[in-house]
Amino acid sequence: AQSVAQPEDQVNVAEGNPLTVKCTYSVSGNPYLFWYVQYPNRGLQFLLKYITGDNLVKGSYGFEAEFNKSQTSFHLKKPSALVSDSALYFCAVRDTANAGKSTFGDGTTLTVKP
Amino acid sequence: DGGITQSPKYLFRKEGQNVTLSCEQNLNHDAMYWYRQDPGQGLRLIYYSQIVNDFQKGDIAEGYSVSREKKESFPLTVTSAQKNPTAFYLCASSRLTSGANTGELFFGEGSRLTVL
Repeated sequence: AQSVAQPEDQVNVAEGNPLTVKCTYSVSGNPYLFWYVQYPNRGLQFLLKYITGDNLVKGSYGFEAEFNKSQTSFHLKKPSALVSDSALYFCAVRDTANAGKSTFGDGTTLTVKP
Repeated sequence: DGGITQSPKYLFRKEGQNVTLSCEQNLNHDAMYWYRQDPGQGLRLIYYSQIVNDFQKGDIAEGYSVSREKKESFPLTVTSAQKNPTAFYLCASSRLTSGANTGELFFGEGSRLTVL
């Protein structure tokens, strides 16, 4: 079975400060890892993914994520937060042994204050 | 523009009624999915399909049914057997690359179903 944990329901940061949204995962095979963002009453939008290769992945809107196999983590980061980054963020995993099914975390609400 | 279209955006249903949610994509993606989202919870997979005329149950398929007669379309029926159908329903699609499902999901804007 595959699973994803986002340990923080809410993350609050000041505009201009760095932000981190945490994600840990569990899979039986090699993981495909994804981050998505959701604005109120909208669908999810893809931010970035890790399939293989460099552990630091860069994505949309200045976001990046670091894959750490030993800690089974895939934390989302941004060097300087914007108020417009405030949204609900989801981490997801797809197991290479279970192709077709993505499992999502419960989501982390990011609030960036001016 | 390419994308995924879900309809209706809002739907109200009386108890005991079946309802069908539409999902159409023009991205030429092979795989399509239905997720359910409840407040404070992540997305839970209802059904998915990786090829026309074939689909698999996800984690919460009971009370739901789907069909995949065309590559572009993956409608979801919420039946009267679904005990708690009020939720936000999201349809998604993805590419299959070299037979492996590594592609990210592209989501529609969602359908909010409320049972009265």
